[in-house]
Amino acid sequence: NAGVMQNPRHLVRRRGQEARLRCSPMKGHSHVYWYRQLPEEGLKFMVYLQKENIIDESGMPKERFSAEFPKEGPSILRIQQVVRGDSAAYFCASSPRPASSTDTQYFGPGTRLTVL
Amino acid sequence: GDSVTQMEGPVTLSEEAFLTINCTYTATGYPSLFWYVQYPGEGLQLLLKATKADDKGSNKGFEATYRKETTSFHLEKGSVQVSDSAVYFCALINTGTASKLTFGTGTRLQVTL
Repeated sequence: NAGVMQNPRHLVRRRGQEARLRCSPMKGHSHVYWYRQLPEEGLKFMVYLQKENIIDESGMPKERFSAEFPKEGPSILRIQQVVRGDSAAYFCASSPRPASSTDTQYFGPGTRLTVL
Repeated sequence: GDSVTQMEGPVTLSEEAFLTINCTYTATGYPSLFWYVQYPGEGLQLLLKATKADDKGSNKGFEATYRKETTSFHLEKGSVQVSDSAVYFCALINTGTASKLTFGTGTRLQVTL
């Protein structure tokens, strides 16, 4: 059973470009979470999606960032007009049910975004 | 809001030394507590967890006990190996804000021969 997959693993963008990060959850998982890890910091929650629905986007910046999890295909985190401060590692996690003490989130390897 | 505080790193130990990484938390309600490990270039892996007061989570020789009275969840291992070198994250999930993990800043452990 393949784990959570993210691509690309490394992404370089110039300021003002768009970044698209993809996450394929584990088989049978319909809940996806995105986290951002800034250099030398812990992971910060961004958004929680269930198929076709955004459940909680309280950690997502209001501008330039969007996320989706369509009925078919991977979840996409989209960052428009990237700035240097967006440089970070973006991690996706998935779970079969809403994550809780009993339903663990399984993490992907992350996408490391560098904005030049 | 919820928060997790970990000891600053890096922690450098010789192989077979005893490890403690401190973790304290602030949360309303009854959170569940976790330790995740991140090896170089990889994502996070769940190391252990505890869901209620006085529970002890354990895995691969690591242990942590959920102490409600001190709001702590310190990670310990009796004898570390070079292969334990990684970044360790303490985290919580709160029943009141279910589904999102709140992480500490991580503690880098370096084990040398």
